[in-house]
Amino acid sequence: EVRLVESGGGLVEPGGSLRLSCAASGFTFSNAWMSWVRQAPGKGLEWVGRIKSKTDGGTTDNAAPVKGRFIISRDDSKNTLYLQMNSLKTEDTAIYYCTTMFDWGQGTLVTVSS
Amino acid sequence: SYELTQPPSVSVSPGQTASITCSGDKLRNRYSSWYQQKPGQSPVLVIYQDTKRPSGIPERFSGSNSENTATLTISGTQAVDEADYYCQAWDSSTWVFGGGTNLIVL
Repeated sequence: EVRLVESGGGLVEPGGSLRLSCAASGFTFSNAWMSWVRQAPGKGLEWVGRIKSKTDGGTTDNAAPVKGRFIISRDDSKNTLYLQMNSLKTEDTAIYYCTTMFDWGQGTLVTVSS
Repeated sequence: SYELTQPPSVSVSPGQTASITCSGDKLRNRYSSWYQQKPGQSPVLVIYQDTKRPSGIPERFSGSNSENTATLTISGTQAVDEADYYCQAWDSSTWVFGGGTNLIVL
């Protein structure tokens, strides 16, 4: 059974940083392209970014609103995906999901507020 | 930037066919996917690569993609199908989501 479990969410002040983790199991994580998707309260889905598998180059792509502030990385030895979020803004408040597209985690809530 | 447009809501009677559209420039040239999301739950992929159903998704869910419009069709709609539905497509190296459609079964 595929499992994706996000963690690391919480309350942070504007301008602050937070690192989210996504622990994966039940599939060959190292072969998977992994994405982060977020959902602001009462709003729709918004793609944050993606990291390819190392065999496909391991490169990342980010959405325009987070480019230069968010960094996606992976540790295949730990089957874990990361999202380093810097210079956080109030508009980054959302539930953050990790996903392979076929499977999604339960999400972790990030609240940016003073 | 690329945009996908969905109707905010669609209503259907139980047992009838629901069609949810997703419009985008030359969408036919991009693979489309559809996600179902119920309140308080994570999204679930119901259609990918325009027409394919992941394992475990009922046969009543089907998809099509022609010219500028992708369509999610739910045949014999059931009350459990009431949810938000999001289309998604690739734009260069990025994902783009539609704004979502609230399917009301009444």
